[in-house]
Amino acid sequence: AQSVTQLGSHVSVSEGALVLLRCNYSSSVPPYLFWYVQYPNQGLQLLLKYTTGATLVKGINGFEAEFKKSETSFHLTKPSAHMSDAAEYFCAVSEEYGNYQLIWGAGTKLIIKP
Amino acid sequence: GAVVSQHPSWVICKSGTSVKIECRSLDFQATTMFWYRQFPKQSLMLMATSNEGSKATYEQGVEKDKFLINHASLTLSTLTVTSAHPEDSSFYICSARGWTSGMEKNEQFFGPGTRLTVL
Repeated sequence: AQSVTQLGSHVSVSEGALVLLRCNYSSSVPPYLFWYVQYPNQGLQLLLKYTTGATLVKGINGFEAEFKKSETSFHLTKPSAHMSDAAEYFCAVSEEYGNYQLIWGAGTKLIIKP
Repeated sequence: GAVVSQHPSWVICKSGTSVKIECRSLDFQATTMFWYRQFPKQSLMLMATSNEGSKATYEQGVEKDKFLINHASLTLSTLTVTSAHPEDSSFYICSARGWTSGMEKNEQFFGPGTRLTVL
């Protein structure tokens, strides 16, 4: 069964600093990978996704992620954090059959210090 | 494109009453809709998956008689929490997956969520 691990339930960075949110997955086949962001009391918004092709994926709000098959990782980065980036971030991997259910990580709360 | 709405956005009800939450795909046909429950500071927990015109598939531990799901059309699914109790208070989120040009078959589009509080 597939699983997703997000290291660190909370990550705190200073405004302007590099953001790095870690995601590792277990999958026996090439995965489809997603990062979603959730602001308080709101639904989820897709930040970016990896399906096939280029392993460095650019998303919205200046975020990007790199698919590294050898490390089974899909870490999310942003060069310079803004206060508005404070939110909960979820990594997910899609099943490759049936209803293509998403397998979710536990989430990482990003805290931005002024 | 690919907008999913939920109604209501929040609801407060008395214990023992039933509450219906609607999930609509506004600009695409949703072949599959998913219902999630999210407790504070936790990840999403999949409750059930529904395909249009067929019975929903519930995850283990989810009471199908308590959480009634109907997916009568390609743009509407409803979740009814029957005889709600305080422990049913939670944030309920729906998502939809479609099969149209330009849409990844495994990408889900999420509604804004419904906050249910049972007194």
